Amino acid sequence: DIQMTQSPSLLSASVGDRVTINCKASQNINKYLNWYQQKLGEAPKLLIYNTNNLQTGIPSRFSGSGSGTDYTLTISSLQPEDFGTYFCFQHNSWPLTFGSGTKLEIK
Amino acid sequence: EVQLVESGGGLVQPGSPLKLSCAASGFTFSSNWLNWIRQAPGKGLEWVASINPDGSSTYYPDTVKGRFVVSKDNAKNTGYLQMNNLRSEDTAMYYCALQDTWGQGVMVTVSS
Repeated sequence: DIQMTQSPSLLSASVGDRVTINCKASQNINKYLNWYQQKLGEAPKLLIYNTNNLQTGIPSRFSGSGSGTDYTLTISSLQPEDFGTYFCFQHNSWPLTFGSGTKLEIK
Repeated sequence: EVQLVESGGGLVQPGSPLKLSCAASGFTFSSNWLNWIRQAPGKGLEWVASINPDGSSTYYPDTVKGRFVVSKDNAKNTGYLQMNNLRSEDTAMYYCALQDTWGQGVMVTVSS
């Protein structure tokens, strides 16, 4: 099974900050990596698919990068509505696996 | 509008079965993979099952393999998750999902 190690688990940042969240896969996942945002009591929302493709309707301050085993979600200028928990997700091979999540708090 | 609506959750005793449904609308259901993902209270996300567009192939993690069965009825635009021999550790919010759209989830509680 592919393990997804996500870091940090908790992130506190200020409005306007540049924020990065990382996911490291235990083996090459060929860029089949999605990023989701989840707010309390809601279903996750797709932000980025296949490493660097911005989902329709998602602000351009969100971007993704990476290859091989290392992937990054970047928020270029943090906004108050960006609080929540972020998960990475690999869909390269079965079983599909999620990262453990990064809780983003706004200072 | 693409929409997925889960139903069928509830409180069941350990060892019991339960069947979840996922009603789809706003897209061509027969052309899409369908996934089930769960989230235990206060925990992260766990993929539970996937089925290919025509329903001929299914996939599960070891934690549910042999107990859960995913299916879809393309004529009814509905997906299903049959859960058998439920355990306390299956207690979670269950979501049906496409890659880019998730339902609102349905709660399953396994407790005596």
